[in-house]
Amino acid sequence: AQKVTQAQTEISVVEKEDVTLDCVYETRDTTYYLFWYKQPPSGELVFLIRRNSFDEQNEISGRYSWNFQKSTSSFNFTITASQVVDSAVYFCALSELFRDNYGQNFVFGPGTRLSVLP
Amino acid sequence: DTEVTQTPKHLVMGMTNKKSLKCEQHMGHRAMYWYKQKAKKPPELMFVYSYEKLSINESVPSRFSPECPNSSLLNLHLHALQPEDSALYLCASSQTSGGQETQYFGPGTRLLVL
Repeated sequence: AQKVTQAQTEISVVEKEDVTLDCVYETRDTTYYLFWYKQPPSGELVFLIRRNSFDEQNEISGRYSWNFQKSTSSFNFTITASQVVDSAVYFCALSELFRDNYGQNFVFGPGTRLSVLP
Repeated sequence: DTEVTQTPKHLVMGMTNKKSLKCEQHMGHRAMYWYKQKAKKPPELMFVYSYEKLSINESVPSRFSPECPNSSLLNLHLHALQPEDSALYLCASSQTSGGQETQYFGPGTRLLVL
């Protein structure tokens, strides 16, 4: 069964510090997708990035970067020079196809609450 | 435009009331989803609609009744809810349901059942 673990329940950093959020997943599928979503206090889940299992190229986008390592089943997310507006709950998710191929399910991790203090 | 809208933003209802949550997207997506999220927990899938047909019902009690009138709209009809049904209800959509598509989420409806 698919599973996503985010070992860090809560992290607090001071503004301008770098912070890395960890995500470890389990799947028996050979083709899968990994996602990061951000959920600010307003409640909306904001899509950040998607990676497929064949693309291990790491990416930097502004202050965000992602480190996908298939060998360790990890998909970590780093915020450089954190800002107060980065305070939110961050969810890592793994996509799987339903058994009948009629739907897609996201298996969400439990989330990491990031607090960036001024 | 990756916008999914949901109304109302907040809803308070008694256990005998009937209410509906609404979700709308105009991205041409053919899959739509309802999730329930309790405080400090990740979202849990409730229903999946694919091409306006209900394809997945994750053992949700019958007091929750989904409806997809057309490809842009998704409703969730609520009747005789219990206080433990109080939660954030999130709607999402994706291009199709057969692939491993990105789901785009609405802002949610915060429901309180008294």
